[in-house]
Amino acid sequence: AAGVIQSPRHLIKEKRETATLKCYPIPRHDTVYWYQQGPGQDPQFLISFYEKMQSDKGSIPDRFSAQQFSDYHSELNMSSLELGDSALYFCASSQRPGPLISYEQYFGPGTRLTVT
Amino acid sequence: AQSVTQLGSHVSVSEGALVLLRCNYSSSVPPYLFWYVQYPNQGLQLLLKYTTGATLVKGINGFEAEFKKSETSFHLTKPSAHMSDAAEYFCAVLLNNDMRFGAGTRLTVKP
Repeated sequence: AAGVIQSPRHLIKEKRETATLKCYPIPRHDTVYWYQQGPGQDPQFLISFYEKMQSDKGSIPDRFSAQQFSDYHSELNMSSLELGDSALYFCASSQRPGPLISYEQYFGPGTRLTVT
Repeated sequence: AQSVTQLGSHVSVSEGALVLLRCNYSSSVPPYLFWYVQYPNQGLQLLLKYTTGATLVKGINGFEAEFKKSETSFHLTKPSAHMSDAAEYFCAVLLNNDMRFGAGTRLTVKP
């Protein structure tokens, strides 16, 4: 079965540079979530999108932005990178959420960002 | 908002011994519950999940977990540990599309 695809899998950037991470959800999934997992930490929710609109926002820094496109893929744009941004960034996808319904989130393999 | 507590950041067992990783949650209503495993430098792999129905759920690699509403727990067990089980394990809860992870438990398996 098709899974969530993330690219690139590894990325090395220098301080103050920018980075763009891409996420391709499972077919027919229209909701995308981004998580950040720092070294030795649990994944922290950053932001989510449904039908190209931001649906929820977590602990995403102002230096980061994200969007979802018409084909439902999403991109996380990170500017003015700092050493502390080094982490594993996960994307997850799910079916459309309902008011009292939660759908399982399927996680991608992650993009490991190293900022030097 | 719901939260997850994993008791014990490190658990060490001998090969062949019982594995017990503890997870308790707090939520106004029963959430969906998950256990994920993460091997070094790899992504999250779903071990098992509870949504509705049978409270004892079986997952991959011989793991199982039981949802106990009265105890707000979802402990992960495996009867006999294998060396390949050494990894980080995360318990997670999902409610109203809000997913929260526990801090993780690192499982070490001694020969």
